[in-house]
Amino acid sequence: ETGVTQTPRHLVMGMTNKKSLKCEQHLGHNAMYWYKQSAKKPLELMFVYSLEERVENNSVPSRFSPECPNSSHLFLHLHTLQPEDSALYLCASSQDRGLEKLFFGSGTQLSVL
Amino acid sequence: SQQGEEDPQALSIQEGENATMNCSYKTSINNLQWYRQNSGRGLVHLILIRSNEREKHSGRLRVTLDTSKKSSSLLITASRAADTASYFCATGSASGGSYIPTFGRGTSLIVHP
Repeated sequence: ETGVTQTPRHLVMGMTNKKSLKCEQHLGHNAMYWYKQSAKKPLELMFVYSLEERVENNSVPSRFSPECPNSSHLFLHLHTLQPEDSALYLCASSQDRGLEKLFFGSGTQLSVL
Repeated sequence: SQQGEEDPQALSIQEGENATMNCSYKTSINNLQWYRQNSGRGLVHLILIRSNEREKHSGRLRVTLDTSKKSSSLLITASRAADTASYFCATGSASGGSYIPTFGRGTSLIVHP
């Protein structure tokens, strides 16, 4: 148990659906991250929040919309996704303003039909 | 990009043998981290080595860093079947008060019992 919990673990959705991924950390960290992991590709950084403020938005399509209501929770809202968006979505947290290690959740395996 | 690139992409060995994985990167870094990922799960932090360190040990793990060559290696000694996983290096530096770690594609290690 890493202290970072992601739900759901698996999600199947159609291209017209709207769904949300949830991440919660119990570590007192101030920075939270969304990564996308597709087969045979490097882990892609999507968004970074530091003290609930978005500090990085890595040219992600607008059909992905992050939300960080407080330092313990992070959401990724999904809307009209494409089949190529099928991937493992990983949430992570770390201490802000320090070059610290990341703590990852178990991920949400997303399939877009 | 400071993205680390792991080499080899895949490694297959017998239990008891040593496994060596390499990571190369392009720009100066503050630290380099190694992570492990079991299939379909989140990444787990293994070891962090700072730019002013040359070698670090943790149990059966030994990490080296050569900043002149912009490379690092991860050695797992006396491997076990349970070491079967993907291994990633992450590089990054502090920018604007935030640390953005960037990952490579990883090395897939299979240890045969």
